Amino acid sequence: EAGVAQSPRYKIIEKRQSVAFWCNPISGHATLYWYQQILGQGPKLLIQFQNNGVVDDSQLPKDRFSAERLKGVDSTLKIQPAKLEDSAVYLCASSLTGSRPPGEQYFGPGTRLTVT
Amino acid sequence: SQQGEEDPQALSIQEGENATMNCSYKTSINNLQWYRQNSGRGLVHLILIRSNEREKHSGRLRVTLDTSKKSSSLLITASRAADTASYFCATARAGGTSYGKLTFGQGTILTVHP
Repeated sequence: EAGVAQSPRYKIIEKRQSVAFWCNPISGHATLYWYQQILGQGPKLLIQFQNNGVVDDSQLPKDRFSAERLKGVDSTLKIQPAKLEDSAVYLCASSLTGSRPPGEQYFGPGTRLTVT
Repeated sequence: SQQGEEDPQALSIQEGENATMNCSYKTSINNLQWYRQNSGRGLVHLILIRSNEREKHSGRLRVTLDTSKKSSSLLITASRAADTASYFCATARAGGTSYGKLTFGQGTILTVHP
């Protein structure tokens, strides 16, 4: 079974520029998550989708971050404009269901963003 | 804020030794999960233990959960160099506005020397 795919793997941009990350979850997984992982810390949930609807975006900085999941499959996370503190690894994960409580999540390799 | 806090922050051992990592949390949970992250990679799920379970095994992994102390431990027996990674605990709260969300700790960096 193919895993969670993410692109690009690395991105370097200047502050105030925009950037977009793409994620393709495991086929058939209804729930998709975007996490931000700052160096030396654990992942922090930014947004959770159940199919193409948003379940939780309470920690998404909505003034600069946006995300969408069209047709309930692929997802895109955008930052505009980027700040220095956005430098981090952005992880996409998926799970078969959006069960409560949450079960096992499958993670992609992540996109390492450096903002200069 | 992070729900789980791992201890120690870093652990260095020799191949063949056992490694023990601890996780403490603050609120009631439904389950607790452990993940491994190799350098430059995504996280890999290791094991899930529910709040009504006290111990769980998977291969060389043994996880315990003490809900009265709000703590969990991950034991890796007979460690190998390939076990070198960061290990994170993640908690699923039992209720409240965060129900349905995993909250990760800061992680323990394990280094196994050959």
